[in-house]
Amino acid sequence: SQTIHQWPATLVQPVGSPLSLECTVEGTSNPNLYWYRQAAGRGLQLLFYSVGIGQISSEVPQNLSASRPQDRQFILSSKKLLLSDSGFYLCAWNWRYNEQFFGPGTRLTVL
Amino acid sequence: QKEVEQNSGPLSVPEGAIASLNCTYSDRGSQSFFWYRQYSGKSPELIMSIYSNGDKEDGRFTAQLNKASQYVSLLIRDSQPSDSATYLCAVNVGAGSYQLTFGKGTKLSVIP
Repeated sequence: SQTIHQWPATLVQPVGSPLSLECTVEGTSNPNLYWYRQAAGRGLQLLFYSVGIGQISSEVPQNLSASRPQDRQFILSSKKLLLSDSGFYLCAWNWRYNEQFFGPGTRLTVL
Repeated sequence: QKEVEQNSGPLSVPEGAIASLNCTYSDRGSQSFFWYRQYSGKSPELIMSIYSNGDKEDGRFTAQLNKASQYVSLLIRDSQPSDSATYLCAVNVGAGSYQLTFGKGTKLSVIP
């Protein structure tokens, strides 16, 4: 069966500091991978998605970036965090047009 | 702008009743429709998917799709306090797209 991992689970960072969140998927090959952000009181916002190694599509222009160095690894990064980057970051995967499955999430607080 | 609309609630139902959650979407080309349940502080969990018009039943859950009306709903029979959560409707953004657009969710509260 497939499992998806995210770490860290929680993170408190000062404004202007860098960020690296990691997501890995087990039990499948060549998945589509997604990064979402869920801010308090708001819906799920798609940030990036990837259909293969090195292939990243950005949905929202911002100070975040994503990379996919391996087939089942997806990384979300920032060089300098803003207060508005606080939120619940979710990684998800699917295979072709099938259902998306979410990881446990990382709760980021920027102070 | 592809949109998915849900009533934010809260929707309160007594234990044992039927909870009815509704969702409308704007993109006529959408082909895949999903319902997720999200407990407070947790990530969304897929509970139903539906791809063709009509009803799809899974245990106490029934998803209903009407593409002509661009409407999808979720019925929860014999509601339990453990069903209290936020329910997210998700729709693929267009024909042949991998991406999903999510509604903001409906908060359901089942009263014992």
